[in-house]
Amino acid sequence: GQQVMQIPQYQHVQEGEDFTTYCNSSTTLSNIQWYKQRPGGHPVFLIQLVKSGEVKKQKRLTFQFGEAKKNSSLHITATQTTDVGTYFCAGPSAGNNRKLIWGLGTSLAVNP
Amino acid sequence: NAGVTQTPKFRVLKTGQSMTLLCAQDMNHEYMYWYRQDPGMGLRLIHYSVGEGTTAKGEVPDGYNVSRLKKQNFLLGLESAAPSQTSVYFCASSYWLKEDYEQYFGPGTRLTVT
Repeated sequence: GQQVMQIPQYQHVQEGEDFTTYCNSSTTLSNIQWYKQRPGGHPVFLIQLVKSGEVKKQKRLTFQFGEAKKNSSLHITATQTTDVGTYFCAGPSAGNNRKLIWGLGTSLAVNP
Repeated sequence: NAGVTQTPKFRVLKTGQSMTLLCAQDMNHEYMYWYRQDPGMGLRLIHYSVGEGTTAKGEVPDGYNVSRLKKQNFLLGLESAAPSQTSVYFCASSYWLKEDYEQYFGPGTRLTVT
């Protein structure tokens, strides 16, 4: 079945280091979304990418959607302790676009 | 606007007991979802609804039932709780427009079944 895979599963960085998480889909996606979940919290929408090769920035966060629309990445420049949490990518189900297929997430820990 | 709210926030059940989790949204969203989240397993879809009066199974529906009698409410029922249903349950809602798929999540219900 359709799958969305994320790597790495965990990442520990020193504050100020960069961080990247990668998302790979088994199928072409019409769009991809990224969410952040703080420890003890709920997932919160960050961004949606729709176009092939699209790059969007939110302050220190850079999101990319691959040319084939099967992969995506989230890059954080100069991590801060406020970046701690789990980052999920998700894409619409191919068979029924009213569901999202979720990656398992990348948990980021930042040492001050 | 309150967004998506869930009640209760915490609950402890004994094996075999039943309970209903309530999700309410005030954004007039057509689509609503129930997920469970367990360590290392991400978000798994239990059931979802594409409109008032309609429900559908997700990837882990066994042991759960749902109802969507009103557009703003989505109820998740556990008829006979089992320890394997110990989890954090999230409700989410969304439009599903051509360019807008964002899901809005509630704060979650932390359920322990002993």
